[in-house]
Parts: sequence; C-alpha cells; structure tokens
Amino acid sequence: GAVVSQHPSRVICKSGTSVKIECRSLDFQATTMFWYRQFPKQSLMLMATSNEGSKATYEQGVEKDKFLINHASLTLSTLTVTSAHPEDSSFYICSASGQAQKGGNTIYFGEGSWLTVV
Amino acid sequence: SQKIEQNSEALNIQEGKTATLTCNYTNYSPAYLQWYRQDPGRGPVFLLLIRENEKEKRKERLKVTFDTTLKQSLFHITASQPADSATYLCALGDSGNTPLVFGKGTRLSVIA
Repeated sequence: GAVVSQHPSRVICKSGTSVKIECRSLDFQATTMFWYRQFPKQSLMLMATSNEGSKATYEQGVEKDKFLINHASLTLSTLTVTSAHPEDSSFYICSASGQAQKGGNTIYFGEGSWLTVV
Repeated sequence: SQKIEQNSEALNIQEGKTATLTCNYTNYSPAYLQWYRQDPGRGPVFLLLIRENEKEKRKERLKVTFDTTLKQSLFHITASQPADSATYLCALGDSGNTPLVFGKGTRLSVIA
C-alpha cells in the first residue's frame, strides 16, 4: 500500500486565493521531504527540500514567499501556494525520505496533487 | 550543470518484444540511479535502484544496467505487455536525504 499520502489529489481554486497541499508519511518518520512540480510532458522539477523542524531550502527561481513549506512533524509536510495565479496550475508531487516497511533508507513518492487556478 | 537525457520522448513496440530505454547523464557522479514508472496523472512509482558499483540489476521482467564510464543506464522490459505502457523516468541520487534529479522520461507504448 501507499506509504506517502498526498491530499487533495485535485483542487481548483480562484486566482488570488491560497491553497494548501498536505504530504504525509504513513508508516515511517520522514526526516526529509521534497516537493516537485511537473508540467505536462515535462520532468519533475524540484522546488524545495524540507527538513523537519527547520526552514525549507528552495531551488533557484522558486519564490519562498509564494510557495510556503511547513514540515511541522516527522510525518507531515505542507505546501501552500499563496495568491495563486493560472500559471501556478500544475501537478505537485511530494516525496519523503526515510525507512519504511521494506527497510533501508529510500525515497517514496505521493500520488501527486493537480492544482488548477481559474 | 547536471544534465540527464532519456533517449527518446516516445517509444512504440510490439507486445512480446523487449523494450530498451536509455538514460545518459553528464556533469554528475551519482551514487545510485533509479528507474520509476509514472502513469498519467499519478505520482512516480519506484521500480529499481542500481548503485554505482553495480553493473546490472534484475527484477522479474525488468533489467537495469549501469555504466559509470559511459555515464549511461539501460532499462529493459522483456516480454513486454500492453500493461507496461507508461512513462518511465530515470533519476540520479547521492544519498537518501538528497533530492533525486530526474530525466524527462520516455513514454512507452506496447501495442497488442
């Protein structure tokens, strides 16, 4: 079964509003979580790396004030898209690094969240 | 800067044949390389990991090779089936706590 859960899977919001996406590790503690964005037929582009209890590290070109990341616990990270615009419409995917039931430190991906800004 | 290239955007093959996908990289020395499957509108699903000191890894009908001299990985699906149709991504990594760097993916279509 899934070891990383993302919610919501699909969300439509109005331009100018904010939307929050949650990423949970279900049966392991994720010391590090990664947030990616993927446009159609494109690769996953890393947005930021978040470590529990500390500030996220953003990739070049990603606005930290627009994409707020909170890694409040070892099982939950949230991405908030603030003042969303249509160009923010994309597929957002999180991944978590940790030891799950299969053993060994590995990276697991969530199912992704489709954001549409109208 | 780091660059990952997957040989083609799309690959069509006949059912039962072996599909071979290529991943080349430059300006990078990864500790390991991973292959993922991604279906439309879904997150990537891990398939195989191969480390820099390994030449080949197998899992059921899947086989991955890793040539650090050529900076290339080949991903094979033998006896391909229509259910294997998906986008396959290669990704490079250093350790479990560093982010993976992904290629754009190859969209495989297996035709019955």
